Amino acid sequence: DIQMTQSPSTLSASVGDRVTITCRASQSISDWLAWYQQKPGKAPKLLIYKASSLESGVPSRFSGSGSGTEFTLTISSLQPDDFATYYCQQYNSFSRTFGQGTKVEIK
Amino acid sequence: EVQLVETGGGLIQPGGSLRLSCAASGFTVSGNYMSWVRQAPGKGLEWVSVIYGGGNTYYADSVKGRFTISRDSSKNTLFLQMNSLRVEDTAVYYCAKWRGGIFDLWGQGTLVTVSS
Repeated sequence: DIQMTQSPSTLSASVGDRVTITCRASQSISDWLAWYQQKPGKAPKLLIYKASSLESGVPSRFSGSGSGTEFTLTISSLQPDDFATYYCQQYNSFSRTFGQGTKVEIK
Repeated sequence: EVQLVETGGGLIQPGGSLRLSCAASGFTVSGNYMSWVRQAPGKGLEWVSVIYGGGNTYYADSVKGRFTISRDSSKNTLFLQMNSLRVEDTAVYYCAKWRGGIFDLWGQGTLVTVSS
């Protein structure tokens, strides 16, 4: 299976900060990468697919980039609603795998 | 409204069986690829199974031979039959609509606890 590794595991930030989360794949996945946001006790929500395509209804402060093995999720100006855990997911191989998650917490 | 609602979770002893249901509204289960994803307490997400529109089914190695995904078009409902349950199957189980390999609509989840 393709392993997905996110960094950092936890990130402390303030409202208004620019935040970047990195996701690395154990082998090339082209741009078959998605990002999800999950709040405590809630289901994940799709934010980004195909590495950089914004899902309908997702605020434009979220953006994704990368290809091959290294990807980033950027929040341009962190809002109170954005404090959550973020997961990347590859869909290059049939067995879809997720990163371990990055928790964005209030500084 | 487009939504998924899971039911059927609970406390079960190791070796036992449980069937989860996921009722869909606003779209048809049979016309889409549908999946189950689970999340152990305090852990990350793990894809479990998928059923294609044509009926083909696929499973993660961790559940192959023990879990069965199915659907009932008349009830517009997805199922996950879980047999020979293990302690490590303890998790919140989400059903999700699969779109080209990503999960674009999720249910609220149902907790399965495997413990003696």
